[in-house]
Amino acid sequence: DTEVTQTPKHLVMGMTNKKSLKCEQHMGHRAMYWYKQKAKKPPELMFVYSYEKLSINESVPSRFSPECPNSSLLNLHLHALQPEDSALYLCASSQVPAGYSNQPQHFGDGTRLSIL
Amino acid sequence: SQQGEEDPQALSIQEGENATMNCSYKTSINNLQWYRQNSGRGLVHLILIRSNEREKHSGRLRVTLDTSKKSSSLLITASRAADTASYFCATLNAGGTSYGKLTFGQGTILTVHP
Repeated sequence: DTEVTQTPKHLVMGMTNKKSLKCEQHMGHRAMYWYKQKAKKPPELMFVYSYEKLSINESVPSRFSPECPNSSLLNLHLHALQPEDSALYLCASSQVPAGYSNQPQHFGDGTRLSIL
Repeated sequence: SQQGEEDPQALSIQEGENATMNCSYKTSINNLQWYRQNSGRGLVHLILIRSNEREKHSGRLRVTLDTSKKSSSLLITASRAADTASYFCATLNAGGTSYGKLTFGQGTILTVHP
């Protein structure tokens, strides 16, 4: 079992749908991350939240909208996605933002997203 | 873009043998980390080595770091079938536009046969 919980585990949606991915951690971590991972590829960073504020956006298309309602929760709102957005979306957290200390990141098991 | 290159891309060994994976990177780093990913699961942190360290051990894992060559290796001794997974190195970049970002290598797929 991981300490970072992601829901749902699987999501199938049409290109016109609006859905949200949810991530939750109760380790008191103050940095949270969204990654996208295509099959047989490494994770690619999308967004970083540091102390509940968006600190890094890796030029992600606006059809992906992150939200950090509080220090334990991270959402990724999806709208008008494309078939190429089908991937495993991973959430991670760390005690403090990655640039401030030598702390590992803790990953959830991801949401496998399929766009029809 | 991913700065880490790993080799081999795939490694197949028998249980009890040692497995060595290598990682190279291009920029200055604060630390280098190794993660394991079982099929369909998230990444699990294995070990972190700081830029001023040369070697680190954790159980059956041994990691080395050579900052002059910008390379690292992960050795798994006495492998078990349960070690079958993908292994990724990840660098925490020290500065520039990539500051504070964890950048993953392409990964090595390890298969340990019982």
